[in-house]
Amino acid sequence: GAGVSQSPRYKVAKRGQDVALRCDPISGHVSLFWYQQALGQGPEFLTYFQNEAQLDKSGLPSDRFFAERPEGSVSTLKIQRTQQEDSAVYLCASSSKTGLLGYTFGSGTRLTVV
Amino acid sequence: GDSVTQMEGPVTLSEEAFLTINCTYTATGYPSLFWYVQYPGEGLQLLLKATKADDKGSNKGFEATYRKETTSFHLEKGSVQVSDSAVYFCALGGSNSGYALNFGKGTSLLVTP
Repeated sequence: GAGVSQSPRYKVAKRGQDVALRCDPISGHVSLFWYQQALGQGPEFLTYFQNEAQLDKSGLPSDRFFAERPEGSVSTLKIQRTQQEDSAVYLCASSSKTGLLGYTFGSGTRLTVV
Repeated sequence: GDSVTQMEGPVTLSEEAFLTINCTYTATGYPSLFWYVQYPGEGLQLLLKATKADDKGSNKGFEATYRKETTSFHLEKGSVQVSDSAVYFCALGGSNSGYALNFGKGTSLLVTP
């Protein structure tokens, strides 16, 4: 597609519920990134894929967070047993290169845990 | 570790005023520096970048110069417009973090007619 598409745009979850956030990167983009942006803060790195391989998951805040990209295109970020502190905007970005210079961000999914 | 500090907002300016948003960084190695902009309801967009010391990034009238001696990458624009109202993020990457970006907290800019 023309840009990085994320769905849903908004998600309200009850505490303890599992959620799945989807990212459709730009077609053909090799690299895919997930970031978490808390209210009033800058985005923070969560995880990085190169094609289907998850090369870095050092930013995932707990083992309740899980990301996958099984066919090297669409990616899903799953959060199990959501907690209030998980409320944030989750941003996906993709790049045609493995380096820094071609990041394109999606509009994000705003997750609110009540 | 690597980090970015940018001036706190909100910043409110009249149209055609001069804009400076300060950004300083801490990093080992030789990072690349970026300014991203986030318009209301939209995703982050790359505004400009610089990959080595003394490089100047520029786009849409905005400029920033990579100053290694002061570890700074201040964003400037000579004459802001109402349409420049947004949140601006300074970011660093390519040092220890490789491909991951370290963002500042963002500076909200409001330009009034």
